[in-house]
Amino acid sequence: GAGVSQTPSNKVTEKGKYVELRCDPISGHTALYWYRQSLGQGPEFLIYFQGTGAADDSGLPNDRFFAVRPEGSVSTLKIQRTERGDSAVYLCASSLAGGRGNEQFFGPGTRLTVL
Amino acid sequence: AQKVTQAQTEISVVEKEDVTLDCVYETRDTTYYLFWYKQPPSGELVFLIRRNSFDEQNEISGRYSWNFQKSTSSFNFTITASQVVDSAVYFCALSGLPNFGNEKLTFGTGTRLTIIP
Repeated sequence: GAGVSQTPSNKVTEKGKYVELRCDPISGHTALYWYRQSLGQGPEFLIYFQGTGAADDSGLPNDRFFAVRPEGSVSTLKIQRTERGDSAVYLCASSLAGGRGNEQFFGPGTRLTVL
Repeated sequence: AQKVTQAQTEISVVEKEDVTLDCVYETRDTTYYLFWYKQPPSGELVFLIRRNSFDEQNEISGRYSWNFQKSTSSFNFTITASQVVDSAVYFCALSGLPNFGNEKLTFGTGTRLTIIP
């Protein structure tokens, strides 16, 4: 079956621009996570969705970052006024309903480069 | 706060040698889950194992084995008879007591394993 997909795979933008990163989770997975992985580091949690609602956005670094999941499947991570420090790989993961230590399946990531 | 420490940044071993990757964690939760993920050069994280805090039995899967010791807050990973295809970055991760189902993972910084042919 299809895994988690993310588009685009690479995104190069200029400082100050707006970007959108898309995640298509595994069908039937109600839990969706966004993580950010900087070079040489482990992924860091950004935001968690259960269904359509963002149940935990405590990992978003500031108000330039926002994410939506309007129909409970596809999610979009939006970054306004990008900065060079936003350059990283943005990973999306999905899992069955949370609460049981369920495995998170990760997508291939979107590599964002801010020039 | 939760924390995962992987003190070994890089390890290189010759093919067919055994290698152990260390993972030490910190959490105040009494119920938690521990994970290992593999990140090959292609970049996609691949799930290897999940253990819950109540199950301290060691686990073996083929050439892979895991040693969970609550007394030392460690969850180490051993590859027996390593192969070149094992070359990757390995991450240990921790999720705590779910809050509204949220099982966000706290990752270590990873160990880059290189198997030399």
